[in-house]
Amino acid sequence: GESVGLHLPTLSVQEGDNSIINCAYSNSASDYFIWYKQESGKGPQFIIDIRSNMDKRQGQRVTVLLNKTVKHLSLQIAATQPGDSAVYFCAELSGYSTLTFGKGTMLLVSP
Amino acid sequence: GAVVSQHPSRVICKSGTSVKIECRSLDFQATTMFWYRQFPKQSLMLMATSNEGSKATYEQGVEKDKFLINHASLTLSTLTVTSAHPEDSSFYICSARGGVGYTFGSGTRLTVV
Repeated sequence: GESVGLHLPTLSVQEGDNSIINCAYSNSASDYFIWYKQESGKGPQFIIDIRSNMDKRQGQRVTVLLNKTVKHLSLQIAATQPGDSAVYFCAELSGYSTLTFGKGTMLLVSP
Repeated sequence: GAVVSQHPSRVICKSGTSVKIECRSLDFQATTMFWYRQFPKQSLMLMATSNEGSKATYEQGVEKDKFLINHASLTLSTLTVTSAHPEDSSFYICSARGGVGYTFGSGTRLTVV
């Protein structure tokens, strides 16, 4: 299930389940979105990106969905594995400006 | 792919001293690099944008005299935390535009005692 921790919402799933991590972005002018995975004590690692002229993009085991109408982004991870346990951040970019990160979601995968 | 190297990975310093963190783009040139700060269980907050050959652009609320940024070459940006205090203890992360989107360094854990 999903719960809100002190600062970071947490999603707990069983190994093999599909995970869905959601993100609401703030700027309707944002035209590029990226999902990052951050393991403890490390920098963010690129997972998948999507431009605003698309509503879906698939990678290996991951799918990003973009709903511009409600400014919502989601990351779907198929057949979640313990190695997927990390904090996931969405980030938005408008024009040629800087990346703005969302609050993040901690994904906990139990064997 | 694009690689950003950040050094040191962790540092402990005494209150009142200064600490320098280096960020290097290893296989690409980066005219712009970014410095973020991250507190435990929180998101990355942009501190400043580092521009090669010119002054950095600081975000609102970030003291430019305390967090000195130098971007003297197309592959190196440095962040110096001057007169560090315990409240400066945090995880500092740099990034650069390169490869797919933005590439991040591995971060520097700063502990001020």
